[in-house]
Amino acid sequence: EAGVTQSPTHLIKTRGQQATLRCSPISGHTSVYWYQQALGLGLQFLLWYDEGEERNRGNFPPRFSGRQFPNYSSELNVNALELEDSALYLCASSQGHSYEQYFGPGTRLTVT
Amino acid sequence: QKEVEQNSGPLSVPEGAIASLNCTYSDRGSQSFFWYRQYSGKSPELIMSIYSNGDKEDGRFTAQLNKASQYVSLLIRDSQPSDSATYLCAVTTDSSYKLIFGSGTRLLVRP
Repeated sequence: EAGVTQSPTHLIKTRGQQATLRCSPISGHTSVYWYQQALGLGLQFLLWYDEGEERNRGNFPPRFSGRQFPNYSSELNVNALELEDSALYLCASSQGHSYEQYFGPGTRLTVT
Repeated sequence: QKEVEQNSGPLSVPEGAIASLNCTYSDRGSQSFFWYRQYSGKSPELIMSIYSNGDKEDGRFTAQLNKASQYVSLLIRDSQPSDSATYLCAVTTDSSYKLIFGSGTRLLVRP
């Protein structure tokens, strides 16, 4: 069974630009979660999508947004990039309303 | 006070020994508890979940939960050098399903 996939693997952007990160969940999983892992800050919850709807968001500014498509894949958009947005962005998926989340390989975003 | 606390380590154990990793959490309403393993440069991998008080065993891994003490632990028996990684404790505190992570404990298993 294929796991969670994310693209791109690496992304380099300039401050002020926009970044788009993509995630495909495990087949049969309907919930997608986004987390940020910045150096020294640990894993922080960003967003949760379920059945196409945003269900919860973490303590991040509105320039972090996303959506979930009918096929349950998801996109994370980060507008007006700042240097401190440089981090590993991890997507996880779960089956329905299950607490067990499985992570993808992540997208490394570097803002210069 | 952090919501989920772990000793950063490194915890160094010899090959074949039992590694004991600990985690405390602050919210008494926490409902679900997880251990993830993260190798350097890789994403977290779910290795154990536990939802009720007591022990849960899976192969060489045993998770222990004590809700009264707000404490969850992971025991790794017969530790192998391949177990060397950072172990992340995560909890959910409400029906939002978001995971709250500790900062992780680095485990080093010496051959």
